[in-house]
Amino acid sequence: NAGVTQTPKFQVLKTGQSMTLQCAQDMNHEYMSWYRQDPGMGLRLIHYSVGAGITDQGEVPNGYNVSRSTTEDFPLRLLSAAPSQTSVYFCASSYSAARYEQYFGPGTRLTVT
Amino acid sequence: ILNVEQSPQSLHVQEGDSTNFTCSFPSSNFYALHWYRWETAKSPEALFVMTLNGDEKKKGRISATLNTKEGYSYLYIKGSQPEDSATYLCAFNHSWGKLQFGAGTQVVVTP
Repeated sequence: NAGVTQTPKFQVLKTGQSMTLQCAQDMNHEYMSWYRQDPGMGLRLIHYSVGAGITDQGEVPNGYNVSRSTTEDFPLRLLSAAPSQTSVYFCASSYSAARYEQYFGPGTRLTVT
Repeated sequence: ILNVEQSPQSLHVQEGDSTNFTCSFPSSNFYALHWYRWETAKSPEALFVMTLNGDEKKKGRISATLNTKEGYSYLYIKGSQPEDSATYLCAFNHSWGKLQFGAGTQVVVTP
């Protein structure tokens, strides 16, 4: 099993550009989520999904879109990148819901100039 | 946004010493409390998920306790080793889909 994979590992964007961060898992997990990690702030939930076709907002959803067309994939779209979105992004998955241990991907380091 | 606080923010421990630190969270709408270990340049890895008041979990030299009525959890490291150096995160599950993370306690174990 590859577990949770994320691509790309690093990305530099200019303000106003859009892009999609990819996340995939091969553990047949129903629950997937996206976090951003900023210094001194821990991990903050952006969006989450409890199954294919179902998504909901987390703590900091503005400027990001998600969709969940398959169990395996949960891409995160930045619509119009801003310097405030410079961060490290982690995707995570778990068996059923946030109540179960989360498996994290390796992270994507995004810089917006 | 709920308040999940971890203290201290960082601590230095001599190899062989034991240590503990705290996660505090709201005592209402409790689903679960998670602990993760996060080493530099790696991803967070789950240590424990606790769901019942009074839960105690143990993995090797690391253990955790949970008090949901007063809203706190302790993580203990017995006989610290340099490989225990990491940031330890707690996360409060307060509704079906949402985890709120604390900012972490950074532990540095010196030989």
